[in-house]
Amino acid sequence: EDQVTQSPEALRLQEGESSSLNCSYTVSGLRGLFWYRQDPGKGPEFLFTLYSAGEEKEKERLKATLTKKESFLHITAPKPEDSATYLCAVRHIKETSGSRLTFGEGTQLTVNP
Amino acid sequence: DAGVTQSPTHLIKTRGQQVTLRCSPKSGHDTVSWYQQALGQGPQFIFQYYEEEERQRGNFPDRFSGHQFPNYSSELNVNALLLGDSALYLCASSFAQGGTQYFGPGTRLLVL
Repeated sequence: EDQVTQSPEALRLQEGESSSLNCSYTVSGLRGLFWYRQDPGKGPEFLFTLYSAGEEKEKERLKATLTKKESFLHITAPKPEDSATYLCAVRHIKETSGSRLTFGEGTQLTVNP
Repeated sequence: DAGVTQSPTHLIKTRGQQVTLRCSPKSGHDTVSWYQQALGQGPQFIFQYYEEEERQRGNFPDRFSGHQFPNYSSELNVNALLLGDSALYLCASSFAQGGTQYFGPGTRLLVL
């Protein structure tokens, strides 16, 4: 069964203090690892998709990387507006049909000014 | 370009009642997936619809059912509501089953 574990559960940073969030996964036949950002009471907002080990994607202060067992979301010089819950999800495309996402519990990031 | 829309935004029901939630996919998308997100948890997959058929289902009881219409919009129905059904219900749409899933704002359901 697919499993996704995110750490830490919560992270508090000062503005400008860089850090990384971790997502470790166990899935047979990985067909994509996804990062989403979720603000309180809202739906997840898509950030990145990674497909193979060694792949990296960047967007503003965020950079996502992927290995065979885990993914990291690096946040460089964060700002208060980066405060949100960051969700990691994996997709396992079954041979027959369907492509469910299996999510981790998320990391709640707070960036203080 | 409108994104994924869901209605209603909030809903309060009592135990035993039935509820219907609605979702309109992003323009150009033909696949709709539904997720349940309890407070402080990650979203849990309920089921996915493509070509008006349920293609995949998560570990949810038969009380949860759905439908997809010819215009690709979708409904989620939950019968015999339990207190534990209180959650944020998220709809996600994609182009084909393998496309990136984009989420709507969700429907917050409270069961009393």
